[in-house]
Amino acid sequence: SQKIEQNSEALNIQEGKTATLTCNYTNYSPAYLQWYRQDPGRGPVFLLLIRENEKEKRKERLKVTFDTTLKQSLFHITASQPADSATYLCALSGGGADGLTFGKGTHLIIQP
Amino acid sequence: SAVISQKPSRDICQRGTSLTIQCQVDSQVTMMFWYRQQPGQSLTLIATANQGSEATYESGFVIDKFPISRPNLTFSTLTVSNMSPEDSSIYLCSVAEGSGYTFGSGTRLTVV
Repeated sequence: SQKIEQNSEALNIQEGKTATLTCNYTNYSPAYLQWYRQDPGRGPVFLLLIRENEKEKRKERLKVTFDTTLKQSLFHITASQPADSATYLCALSGGGADGLTFGKGTHLIIQP
Repeated sequence: SAVISQKPSRDICQRGTSLTIQCQVDSQVTMMFWYRQQPGQSLTLIATANQGSEATYESGFVIDKFPISRPNLTFSTLTVSNMSPEDSSIYLCSVAEGSGYTFGSGTRLTVV
């Protein structure tokens, strides 16, 4: 069955450093890989999408890489800030009208 | 991006009863998606709702337990029927946009 793994433990990073989150998947050939941010009591908020034929995508302080050979995506937040503290979710889709398959998420804590 | 209004935001229900969750989108969308997020777990797709046709359910979810209506291109409801404590969860609706998906803020359901 399809499986998505993200760091299950909380990730503590000092403010100003780069936070790197990992998403690994098995038994899946996604057309798209997406990253979302979820704050307590809120729905996920879309951050970045990367396609299977793309290696890297950037948006402001965010960077996503996608290695379909390793079946892995890395999500980077540079110059991290306490406001970046949240749970970050990795999600895969086959494209078209598909819904998303989510990982459990990584809880990121940026320490001032 | 689309704005989704989901209600109720939370409810406490007696076992054996049913709850209907509403999702209103501020623009017309073809597909609407319903997810469940159990405590400490990832979001799991329940079904995809397409206006004018029966919803498509994922493995492990059935129409009798989770009937869905999609009367027009801006509105959908999900009913959780004959509830048990195992149905305690957060339920979210979502729509696909050009890049990424937008989510409602969720309905936190507690069954006692």
